Amino acid sequence: SAVISQKPSRDICQRGTSLTIQCQVDSQVTMMFWYRQQPGQSLTLIATANQGSEATYESGFVIDKFPISRPNLTFSTLTVSNMSPEDSSIYLCSVVPGQRGHEQYFGPGTRLTVT
Amino acid sequence: ELKVEQNPLFLSMQEGKNYTIYCNYSTTSDRLYWYRQDPGKSLESLFVLLSNGAVKQEGRLMASLDTKARLSTLHITAAVHDLSATYFCAVDISFSGYALNFGKGTSLLVTP
Repeated sequence: SAVISQKPSRDICQRGTSLTIQCQVDSQVTMMFWYRQQPGQSLTLIATANQGSEATYESGFVIDKFPISRPNLTFSTLTVSNMSPEDSSIYLCSVVPGQRGHEQYFGPGTRLTVT
Repeated sequence: ELKVEQNPLFLSMQEGKNYTIYCNYSTTSDRLYWYRQDPGKSLESLFVLLSNGAVKQEGRLMASLDTKARLSTLHITAAVHDLSATYFCAVDISFSGYALNFGKGTSLLVTP
C-alpha cells in the first residue's frame, strides 16, 4: 500500500484566516482526492486533485474556498480559505496507486479547529 | 444523486456472536469499498469488491456484493473486542474515477 503523510496533523485557526494542508505520498499515484469528515460524521468528497490542471470539485465545494494544487504525481495541497467555525473538520487526502489494482488509501488526516 | 445507506448505524454485540452490516446504494456501480475507522484514526481499507457475486474474507470479516440488488454485506463471525470500530461502506460514484460516496458508518461495539 501507499504511505501517505499529511501536514499539519492538527491546527487551531482563527476565523477569517486560511490554512494550507499538504499531502505527500511515497510513490507516484494515479489519482489523489480530498475529503472532509465533520465531527461524528461520514466522509464527503471535496474534489479530485488533477495533476497539472485544475481540480474537479464536487457539488457544494468551490475553488475560491478550497483551492487545490497538484504539481506532480506524489504531492497535493488543499487550502481552506477564509475559515469559519463550520470548517472545523478532519481533512483527509486519499490516493489510488493505480498500478496495483483498485485500492484507495487514506492519509492520517488533518484535524482543523476554527475558533 | 447517489445515496449510500448503511444499517444498522449502531451495533452492540457480545463477543462470540455473529452479525451482518448492510450497505444499500441507489444507482449502478461496480466498485464497492469497506473501510474501518478507529476513534481518532484514519481509514483502514478492508475490502474492495469489484463485480457481482464477489466475496472476500479476512479473518472474522467477510464482505459480499450483489450489484443487481445494489447491496453489499459485511458479516462478522464470532466477534471479538478488537473488532470494535466504525465501519464505512463507500461506492464509486464516477465509474472510472474512483471518487467515493460514503455511507454514514456503522459504529460497532463488541462487549464481553
